[in-house]
Amino acid sequence: DARVTQTPRHKVTEMGQEVTMRCQPILGHNTVFWYRQTMMQGLELLAYFRNRAPLDDSGMPKDRFSAEMPDATLATLKIQPSEPRDSAVYFCASGLLGDSLTGELFFGEGSRLTVL
Amino acid sequence: GENVEQHPSTLSVQEGDSAVIKCTYSDSASNYFPWYKQELGKGPQLIIDIRSNVGEKKDQRIAVTLNKTAKHFSLHITETQPEDSAVYFCAATAYGNNRLAFGKGNQVVVIP
Repeated sequence: DARVTQTPRHKVTEMGQEVTMRCQPILGHNTVFWYRQTMMQGLELLAYFRNRAPLDDSGMPKDRFSAEMPDATLATLKIQPSEPRDSAVYFCASGLLGDSLTGELFFGEGSRLTVL
Repeated sequence: GENVEQHPSTLSVQEGDSAVIKCTYSDSASNYFPWYKQELGKGPQLIIDIRSNVGEKKDQRIAVTLNKTAKHFSLHITETQPEDSAVYFCAATAYGNNRLAFGKGNQVVVIP
C-alpha cells in the first residue's frame, strides 16, 4: 500500500532551534509539495518540486525556511531559526501530475511542530 | 490569484440526513475542482473532483455540482454516516496554473 511517509510525526522545540522535517514521496510520483496547516490560515502551499526541481517556493519565508529534494526518495523542509509562529502541522504531498496541478495529491500524515 | 471560500464553517447533521457544503471561487479561469476529506490526525484525502466540462459528478453517496456562471461548486453527501465526520476542503485551479488554492475547510459532524 503506497503512501507518503513523514518524519517526525511530532516535534517540540525551543525558539531559535533548527528543525528539519523529512518526507518520502510515493515511488514514481514526479511532483512533491510542502503545505502548512493552521486553524487561522488553513492549508498554505509553502513550496513544490517537479522531478526534484523547485518550481515554486513563493509561499515560504525565505529568510528562515528552505526546502530541498536531495534525491527522488527524500524531500526536506528546514526551519532555521524556528519561531513560535511556525507552530503548525506541516504536510508533504506527492502526485503524478502533468504541467498543471490537476490530479490527485497524496498527503502524508503530517508533522506537528510546536515551537516554545 | 485564486481565492476559495467555504460555507458553512461547521455543519452538524443527523445520521441518515444529507449534508451540503458550498465553495465559491474568484478566478473564472479555474477549471479543476477537487474535494478532500481530512480525518482527525491524518492528512487530507481526495474523495471526488470535477472538471469544468461537466456540471455534476457522482460517486456512491457523494456528488459534486459545479455552477461556473456563479463561480461556486458544492459537495453533497447523502445518507450520512458517523464515518463521514471529518473536515472537508475544497480547492480550485486552472490548467497551466502552478497553485492549487484550498479553502479553509468545513467541519462536518454526523450525530448518531
